[in-house]
Amino acid sequence: QVQLQESGPGLVKPSGTLSLTCAVSGGSISSSNWWSWIRQPPGKGLEWIGEIYHSGSTNYNPSLKSRVTISVDKSKNQFSLKLSSVTAADTAVYYCARVMGNIAAAVGWFDPWGQGTLVTVSS
Amino acid sequence: SYVLTQPPSVSVAPGKTARITCGGNNIGSKSVHWYQQKPGQAPVLVIYYDSDRPSGIPERFSGSNSGNTATLTISRVEAGDEADYYCQVWDSSSDHHWVFGGGTKLTVL
Repeated sequence: QVQLQESGPGLVKPSGTLSLTCAVSGGSISSSNWWSWIRQPPGKGLEWIGEIYHSGSTNYNPSLKSRVTISVDKSKNQFSLKLSSVTAADTAVYYCARVMGNIAAAVGWFDPWGQGTLVTVSS
Repeated sequence: SYVLTQPPSVSVAPGKTARITCGGNNIGSKSVHWYQQKPGQAPVLVIYYDSDRPSGIPERFSGSNSGNTATLTISRVEAGDEADYYCQVWDSSSDHHWVFGGGTKLTVL
């Protein structure tokens, strides 16, 4: 059973870069799945950030695209998120998740999710 | 971009049926997926492909999708069903974008 675990600093200074890693266990990141990052500001809803395939292909939320980089490390079975020029508005719980379904047919859902990690942007 | 509209809250008595809606322009032409999120926990998939249930999800959870509204139905509601529920689709109107509804807080009275 695939499990995901996020890790990274819980505090980032304004204008800095948020960096998180998602470790995949119980399965291979090189399987036929995309892998996503999703965030949730405190008390608010879910926002999709972006996704990556093991080949390195990526897709990003247009609203964040200029600041986001997602990469994959197949040797460590993990993928990572970098979000630059952060502000207080980027304070959120960040989740990683596996994308299931058929992206080619424009159908997909997220399962499972990692437990999430809170990142606070503050000086 | 594509907008999914959910009621902020739904209340239901134990043992009754809860219906949580997710509105969107011609959403019936899309596949809708639903997540349950309890306080302090990550979301959990409860319905995919409009009406399919992942293994381990009770039969009390069901889904439907037609026209401009998708619905998550929870029968014989239990106290443990109290949570936030989110719908999600693929936004084909923009450059590869997954979209979530704003979420609905289900309160069990």
